[in-house]
Amino acid sequence: GAGVSQSPSNKVTEKGKDVELRCDPISGHTALYWYRQSLGQGLEFLIYFQGNSAPDKSGLPSDRFSAERTGGSVSTLTIQRTQQEDSAVYLCASSTLGADSETQYFGPGTRLLVL
Amino acid sequence: AQSVTQPDIHITVSEGASLELRCNYSYGATPYLFWYVQSPGQGLQLLLKYFSGDTLVQGIKGFEAEFKRSQSSFNLRKPSVHWSDAAEYFCAVVAPSGTYKYIFGTGTRLKVLA
Repeated sequence: GAGVSQSPSNKVTEKGKDVELRCDPISGHTALYWYRQSLGQGLEFLIYFQGNSAPDKSGLPSDRFSAERTGGSVSTLTIQRTQQEDSAVYLCASSTLGADSETQYFGPGTRLLVL
Repeated sequence: AQSVTQPDIHITVSEGASLELRCNYSYGATPYLFWYVQSPGQGLQLLLKYFSGDTLVQGIKGFEAEFKRSQSSFNLRKPSVHWSDAAEYFCAVVAPSGTYKYIFGTGTRLKVLA
């Protein structure tokens, strides 16, 4: 079946604007993750959703970052009042329950540039 | 603190030569271990993983990795590199239970000379 998809693939915005990044996980995957890949910081965990449980938000860098997952499927990562240091590639991953639950499948990412 | 170290930021090899990418981890217990590859403009593709059992694991594209508990290492190898292997390679670890938050190394960028 289809893999993880993300949109937009590229986003350029002005400092101070809000942006929304979308992730469609693999169908049937109950777990969804967001990571940020930036120069000098590597890949950092941001947030994790598993089914109907409360999300693990421990990796969000500030209160300008938030994420939601509607209907246990699509997720949106929102960055408010963007700053130049938010420029990065935002990767989404999903995984299943049970066997192979530890393996995350990644989308192509959204490249965010804040001017 | 939990961490993953990939000591080589850049590696250049000639096509057909052998390859070894190093990965060392610091973790409270033996984690699950992964290698991913990222081609330019692409997401991460899983090459192979180790959970338990045989310490030599085979992956896709002719890659293999060996887990060495005594050295806290999980090095990636390929006997003969192809030009299409040029990419960035990431080692990652995750706790064997819980929320499965990956901890990534900083990556090794592989360049292949024709």
